[in-house]
Amino acid sequence: EAGVAQSPRYKIIEKRQSVAFWCNPISGHATLYWYQQILGQGPKLLIQFQNNGVVDDSQLPKDRFSAERLKGVDSTLKIQPAKLEDSAVYLCASSPTGDRRLTGELFFGEGSRLTVL
Amino acid sequence: DAKTTQPPSMDCAEGRAANLPCNHSTISGNEYVYWYRQIHSQGPQYIIHGLKNNETNEMASLIITEDRKSSTLILPHATLRDTAVYYCIVRASNTGTASKLTFGTGTRLQVTL
Repeated sequence: EAGVAQSPRYKIIEKRQSVAFWCNPISGHATLYWYQQILGQGPKLLIQFQNNGVVDDSQLPKDRFSAERLKGVDSTLKIQPAKLEDSAVYLCASSPTGDRRLTGELFFGEGSRLTVL
Repeated sequence: DAKTTQPPSMDCAEGRAANLPCNHSTISGNEYVYWYRQIHSQGPQYIIHGLKNNETNEMASLIITEDRKSSTLILPHATLRDTAVYYCIVRASNTGTASKLTFGTGTRLQVTL
């Protein structure tokens, strides 16, 4: 089974530029999450989708961050304009619904590392 | 979701058991204890979870105290590949599409020769 795919793995931009990250979750997984992980910290949830609807975006800085999951499958996270403090790894995760094992497990991608200069 | 407290770092000799503690004194009755780990430059990986009873799988064992205020993750025979940051998380539902994972700073486990 293919895992969660993310691209690009690395991105370097200057402040005030824009950047977009792409995530393709595991096939059939209805729930998709974007996390931000700053160096030395644990991941912080930015946004959670259930199919193509937003469940939780309370910690998404909406003045500069946006995310969409138009067809309920893959998703894009955009930052515009980027600030120095946005330097972080952006992790995408997915989880199934109706999981008979009821583990509630999230499956994470390898992340996209953003450096803002 | 309840907050957890973990030691920032621990060392363990290869081949020995690694016992990682976690305090979650404000855990509610419907909250599960989850453990994830994150190896350098990778995304977090699920290890195990439990509600009240002790749990074991192919990766680890989870011991939850009777009052549920603390737990211990046990890696029975640690290897160098177990070097990672281990996160203890309490979460309201074990299926929750509406229940997010809230990560703390975790315990950095260093397994040495």
